[in-house]
Amino acid sequence: QKEVEQDPGPLSVPEGAIVSLNCTYSNSAFQYFMWYRQYSRKGPELLMYTYSSGNKEDGRFTAQVDKSSKYISLFIRDSQPSDSATYLCAMSGGSGNTPLVFGKGTRLSVIA
Amino acid sequence: DAGVTQSPTHLIKTRGQHVTLRCSPISGHKSVSWYQQVLGQGPQFIFQYYEKEERGRGNFPDRFSARQFPNYSSELNVNALLLGDSALYLCASSLIREVNEQFFGPGTRLTVL
Repeated sequence: QKEVEQDPGPLSVPEGAIVSLNCTYSNSAFQYFMWYRQYSRKGPELLMYTYSSGNKEDGRFTAQVDKSSKYISLFIRDSQPSDSATYLCAMSGGSGNTPLVFGKGTRLSVIA
Repeated sequence: DAGVTQSPTHLIKTRGQHVTLRCSPISGHKSVSWYQQVLGQGPQFIFQYYEKEERGRGNFPDRFSARQFPNYSSELNVNALLLGDSALYLCASSLIREVNEQFFGPGTRLTVL
């Protein structure tokens, strides 16, 4: 079993839809949870990070962490064609020298 | 403020050759990490350096090595290239603090023929 599991998609939605992206993980030591957005042939861009369990909202994006279920989610409201990208979840144990462990990424297409 | 920069952007090598990739972190960031991203996969951790010392190493063979310079820039070296080393090599910089917030550069795309 991989440490972080993420459905690679692809996921195609109409413009304006609510998008739900998810990851599961197996390592109980993970404390910090991140979502990165990666456009084709570019480096990942940090969108959200969350510590431990709970929700965090930033504009159209909401990140949720449920440590009891080892499950994290990213919701995108009012999705736009510019949101079309690959979304990567990443996690770490929390200290500054703990490397990020990534999921495979979910490819999202928002159709105008 | 300039973000993380990497050079070169693209590189084509043949099997058995050696390659050096370079990274300059965000101003003020003292930690640099290297990741390998194979097509269709998430980035995989190779090395982390902080204050010129190796702070972490992923599950990669000894053909991979790195170093960090006094100005916090970094080099990743790969010897005896294999076809399977073809990937996007990403550099990320961060402050050493509680939240492991890493910012990535655009990457170097390496093709091994």
